[in-house]
Amino acid sequence: AQSVTQLGSHVSVSEGALVLLRCNYSSSVPPYLFWYVQYPNQGLQLLLKYTSAATLVKGINGFEAEFKKSETSFHLTKPSAHMSDAAEYFCAVSDQSGGSYIPTFGRGTSLIVHP
Amino acid sequence: KAGVTQTPRYLIKTRGQQVTLSCSPISGHRSVSWYQQTPGQGLQFLFEYFSETQRNKGNFPGRFSGRQFSNSRSEMNVSTLELGDSALYLCASSLGQGKGETQYFGPGTRLLVL
Repeated sequence: AQSVTQLGSHVSVSEGALVLLRCNYSSSVPPYLFWYVQYPNQGLQLLLKYTSAATLVKGINGFEAEFKKSETSFHLTKPSAHMSDAAEYFCAVSDQSGGSYIPTFGRGTSLIVHP
Repeated sequence: KAGVTQTPRYLIKTRGQQVTLSCSPISGHRSVSWYQQTPGQGLQFLFEYFSETQRNKGNFPGRFSGRQFSNSRSEMNVSTLELGDSALYLCASSLGQGKGETQYFGPGTRLLVL
């Protein structure tokens, strides 16, 4: 089974500062990796996903993530934080089980943006 | 296309009761997965249905069950509710093709057990 570790349950940044949310995974096979965002009282929304086409993946709202196989990492970044980025972020890895690919989610990182 | 819808959005029950939650997937999606989200345990996979068959199951007791109808709509049932069942229950749909597939989530049903 695969697993995901998100370092830091809370990350606090100032508006305009760099956002860096860390995700490390364990996998014995090439993984499929995802970042989702959850705003208060809403479901999860896909930010971006890695499916082996390119190591640098660009997503919505200015976010991007880089797949580093040697470090088993898939960190999420955004050059300049905006107040509207405040939300819960989840990293997920896809693991084939029973003929389908059920994602395993990390515990989530709450992004706090200060004015 | 309409997104994933879940009903009801909020629910209050008492211990020992049972509850049924409903999920309507995106049109054309044949796979529906259910998750339980709590502050302590995070997102935990309950089960996945594909073409009316349970294809995968998480590590939850038998009190948690589900089904999928021919139109891909899905329901999950929790019997003999316990306080610890208080959570946000999320439904996600996808085409069910497998590799690298995106799951689309509904807004969730927030269940409070008193």
